[in-house]
Amino acid sequence: GAGVSQSPSNKVTEKGKDVELRCDPISGHTALYWYRQRLGQGLEFLIYFQGNSAPDKSGLPSDRFSAERTGESVSTLTIQRTQQEDSAVYLCASSLVDGGLEPQHFGDGTRLSIL
Amino acid sequence: RKEVEQDPGPFNVPEGATVAFNCTYSNSASQSFFWYRQDCRKEPKLLMSVYSSGNEDGRFTAQLNRASQYISLLIRDSKLSDSATYLCVVNTPGGSYIPTFGRGTSLIVHP
Repeated sequence: GAGVSQSPSNKVTEKGKDVELRCDPISGHTALYWYRQRLGQGLEFLIYFQGNSAPDKSGLPSDRFSAERTGESVSTLTIQRTQQEDSAVYLCASSLVDGGLEPQHFGDGTRLSIL
Repeated sequence: RKEVEQDPGPFNVPEGATVAFNCTYSNSASQSFFWYRQDCRKEPKLLMSVYSSGNEDGRFTAQLNRASQYISLLIRDSKLSDSATYLCVVNTPGGSYIPTFGRGTSLIVHP
């Protein structure tokens, strides 16, 4: 399909394990964003990639969280030594260009449950 | 004051009603605005952009009031399927172009 693709859809893991979440943006979209949404809460910004510029990591909650993106392609969000408070839906979005004049398009999200 | 504020609701309206939501923003330099819809346990989906002159898409009308720094969404002839959370998004130029999402307004349309 032509939309943002995220995998896995669901992930259940034990506390202390590492997890890796993947996002395939819409082809040609230079901007990519990761958000976290806890149950019943709003969207929490995590990290932003724009082309080959240095990412904006200002939203990452701790050093257990990291993300990578190669060029304008796939991004991975890694959470090390998971904690129960990391349980949430992790949403990825992409937009056509930087500058905010274009809307974001979201993937279906990864529902992460930490036991 | 929060950057983007929305009344969380819920707004509980009967089918066929007209309902309006506002979203206020704090930065007068904000440049582009959007409304998204989010269904329970689903991802946000773009509903419409908000243009300076106001814009309409079927039963939905979006308006921007720069002087008072708010955007609005009007839904006419509400349907049961309009029940969702409506998020406003505000983009402000700066070092890093990160859109700011409101917390959302919950709408429940009942028979």
